Amino acid sequence: GDSVTQMEGPVTLSEEAFLTINCTYTATGYPSLFWYVQYPGEGLQLLLKATKADDKGSNKGFEATYRKETTSFHLEKGSVQVSDSAVYFCALRKNSNTGKLIFGQGTTLQVKP
Amino acid sequence: DSGVTQTPKHLITATGQRVTLRCSPRSGDLSVYWYQQSLDQGLQFLIQYYNGEERAKGNILERFSAQQFPDLHSELNLSSLELGDSALYFCASSGHNGEKLFFGSGTQLSVL
Repeated sequence: GDSVTQMEGPVTLSEEAFLTINCTYTATGYPSLFWYVQYPGEGLQLLLKATKADDKGSNKGFEATYRKETTSFHLEKGSVQVSDSAVYFCALRKNSNTGKLIFGQGTTLQVKP
Repeated sequence: DSGVTQTPKHLITATGQRVTLRCSPRSGDLSVYWYQQSLDQGLQFLIQYYNGEERAKGNILERFSAQQFPDLHSELNLSSLELGDSALYFCASSGHNGEKLFFGSGTQLSVL
């Protein structure tokens, strides 16, 4: 079945370090891909998305490129801040008739000053 | 603030009991989704309703049921509760194309 695999956390970085969180997916066809972020005590928020191969989603300094050849959607940020500490979820949506998302396990990011 | 309201925020109950979780979607959103978040299973899709009708079903147990009312709010009913049902239950809503989901803050259910 369709699935999303993320790198295990926690990921601990110093402020201004470069961030990569790996995400790969298994799905037939052409799913849409998403990154959601969950801050402590809150619900998930959409961070960025890409709907077709080679699309790059970007928001708040975060970027991810939809790579169909490697079935990947890795999240990157050039310089992380303490306020980026959160849990990051990669997700796919297979069917455009429903917003149903399949999520990865989530990766916890801790940024230390 | 996502505009999605979930009540209650916390719920503590005993095994074998029944509880109801409530969700009010963002104004104008017709779709409501329920997700279960646990440490071992991660975020699991349970069910989606669109304008009162069931649209998609995921790994929802037979002991669980949901509905969406004419005013578009939704309820998730969990019965014959087991220890393993302890989890954070999220509701989300979206417009008709489902491009972006807005999540509530969740209901933390503890079954003792």
